[in-house]
Amino acid sequence: AQSVTQLGSHVSVSEGALVLLRCNYSSSVPPYLFWYVQYPNQGLQLLLKYTTGATLVKGINGFEAEFKKSETSFHLTKPSAHMSDAAEYFCAVSGISGGYNKLIFGAGTRLAVHP
Amino acid sequence: EPEVTQTPSHQVTQMGQEVILRCVPISNHLYFYWYRQILGQKVEFLVSFYNNEISEKSEIFDDQFSVERPDGSNFTLKIRSTKLEDSAMYFCASSEEGENEQFFGPGTRLTVL
Repeated sequence: AQSVTQLGSHVSVSEGALVLLRCNYSSSVPPYLFWYVQYPNQGLQLLLKYTTGATLVKGINGFEAEFKKSETSFHLTKPSAHMSDAAEYFCAVSGISGGYNKLIFGAGTRLAVHP
Repeated sequence: EPEVTQTPSHQVTQMGQEVILRCVPISNHLYFYWYRQILGQKVEFLVSFYNNEISEKSEIFDDQFSVERPDGSNFTLKIRSTKLEDSAMYFCASSEEGENEQFFGPGTRLTVL
C-alpha cells in the first residue's frame, strides 16, 4: 500500500524567502513521486517528478525536490518565493502496482506569499 | 500544447438524478483516469481505464459509477443516481503508454442538491 503525508496544511512565506513544502511517503514498491500545483479554479499542473536516476529533480518555475530514500521524503523547495507561487501544492506517489499508475495524493499544502 | 478538456465546468443536479461528466484526453494517450476532490479534502483516485476496460478502481467507485469511451476521443464518467456526498470536483487525466506523468483536465465541479 502507498500513502503520502504532507506536513503543514498551510505555509506562509514572505516574497523572496525560501519555500519548503514537506512530503513523506510510504510505499512497498520503488516509488515514483510527483509534485502538482493547483491554482484557484484550475486543474492540477505537474511541477516535477522523480522516477529513477538523479535524486535531485528540477521542475518548472524554479522549484526542485530531492528524493531521500532513507528518510522516505520528497520535499519541495524554491530558493526565492514569488507572489505568483501562491497556490495549493500536492505531493503524490505511484508505483508499479498492477501495471497502471494510479496516483495517491497527499492532503495538500496551501502556500501563501505575502509582500 | 495538447491538453485534457472537460465539460461541463460546473454541473448542478438534484439528488437521485443521473449525470455524465465528459472528458477529451490528449489524443495519443492510452491510459485514462478519473479522480475526485471533495471540497477541502485530498484528491482521490476513482478509476483507471485502458484498452476499453477498467484496469483498476477504488472503493469509492461503486455500482453507481461507470466509465465509457464511446468513441475515439471522449471518456465519460456516469453517476447513475447522485447522492449529496457525490458533490465534488471531478478531474479527468490521461497518460501515454510507458509514461508515469498524468495530464489533468481543469475539472468539473458537481453540486448535488
